[in-house]
Amino acid sequence: EIQLTQSPSFLSASVGDRAIITCRASQGISSYLAWYQQKPGKAPKLLIYAASTLQSGVPSRFSGSGSGTEFTLTISSLQPEDFATYYCQQLKSYPRTFGQGTKVEIK
Amino acid sequence: QVQLVQSGAEVKTPGASVKVSCKASGYTFTDYYIYWVRQAPGQGLEWMGWINPNSGGTNYAQKFQGRVTMTRDTSISTASMELSRLRSDDTSVYYCAREGSAAAGAFDIWGQGTMVTVSS
Repeated sequence: EIQLTQSPSFLSASVGDRAIITCRASQGISSYLAWYQQKPGKAPKLLIYAASTLQSGVPSRFSGSGSGTEFTLTISSLQPEDFATYYCQQLKSYPRTFGQGTKVEIK
Repeated sequence: QVQLVQSGAEVKTPGASVKVSCKASGYTFTDYYIYWVRQAPGQGLEWMGWINPNSGGTNYAQKFQGRVTMTRDTSISTASMELSRLRSDDTSVYYCAREGSAAAGAFDIWGQGTMVTVSS
């Protein structure tokens, strides 16, 4: 089973700040990685797939990069609606494991 | 619009079973795999397995083998997940999600979630 480790677990930032979240895989997964955003009481929402491809309708301030075992999600300028929890997920093999999540909070 | 609509919240006693349904609309149900993911209160996301609505084939996470059954009814575009021998630590929100073929296997559409509470 592939383990995904996200860092940091909590990120405190202000509106307008740049936020960077890292996801490390326990073994190489090429570009088989997705990022999701989840707000309290809501289902996750797909932001990025194939490590760097923006899902339709997602603002361009979100971007993803990486391959192999190291991946990043960058939010270039945090907006009030971006304060949420973010998860990475590997799509290389079963089970389709998720990272433990990164909660982005308002400073 | 493309959506997955799940059945309502359930309260069960330990040892019972629960069945959660997920109705698809706005797309061809048999063209996309349906996955099930759960989330315990305040915790992260846990992958449970998938069903191929076309063939009925399934793949379950090892953790749930022997306790979970995923089925589909193509006549009503509905997938279901039944979990048996419930324990208190099965208390979670259960989500169905569609595997997006245009999204390299990522889950592009999610149901709204179904809260299952297991309590004596």
